Amino acid sequence: QVQLVQSGAEVKKPGSSVKVSCKASGGTFSSYAINWVRQAPGQGLEWMGGIIPVFGTTNYAQNFQGRVTITADEFTSTVYMELNSLRSDDTAVFYCARERSSSSFAPIDYWGQGTLVTVSS
Amino acid sequence: DIQMTQSPSSLSASVGDRVTITCRASQDISNYLAWFQQKPGKAPKSLIYAASSLQSGVPSKFSGSGSGTDFTLTISSLQPEDFATYFCQQYYGYPRTFGPGTKVDIK
Repeated sequence: QVQLVQSGAEVKKPGSSVKVSCKASGGTFSSYAINWVRQAPGQGLEWMGGIIPVFGTTNYAQNFQGRVTITADEFTSTVYMELNSLRSDDTAVFYCARERSSSSFAPIDYWGQGTLVTVSS
Repeated sequence: DIQMTQSPSSLSASVGDRVTITCRASQDISNYLAWFQQKPGKAPKSLIYAASSLQSGVPSKFSGSGSGTDFTLTISSLQPEDFATYFCQQYYGYPRTFGPGTKVDIK
């Protein structure tokens, strides 16, 4: 049974950083990619970036380039997403999502439960 | 970047109706197209991958078709639990991109 369990809700000040975790279980951690997806209130899904732990490679969306860092800890099967220079419009639910293999052409099959990040002064 | 569009943006339907949602890519993505269902306050759920393959556990009332740039998601007989927002996503290239979503609500 594959599960992605994310860390809890956060409240942050503008200009600060947030680090959200996604712990995977029920599969071979290094065999697939993990993506991060942002969903602002009432809005659609926005791909932020992803990591393939077995290769250590990352891809980031241009909108977040320079502000987001995605890392993986194979020992704990956990992927982290750190977003810097937070703004009020970063208030959103952040999801991790597993792609079913490390191939460049792998679909998402499992999602984490989401982590609400509220950015407010 | 590959742009994804969906139509309609919303639709109202009755229980038992057949519903079709369209997704279009700005360039050829072969069949690297997935569909997701999202209910309010919940994480998305994966329905279909490779344009037409059902994810494990997804009922056969859901079906997908298409290749290249034009794709469809069909729900053969809408049930109360199917009222949700549906998103398409291409995984042909980076960045991965999602369609804006189609909200299906009760007529």
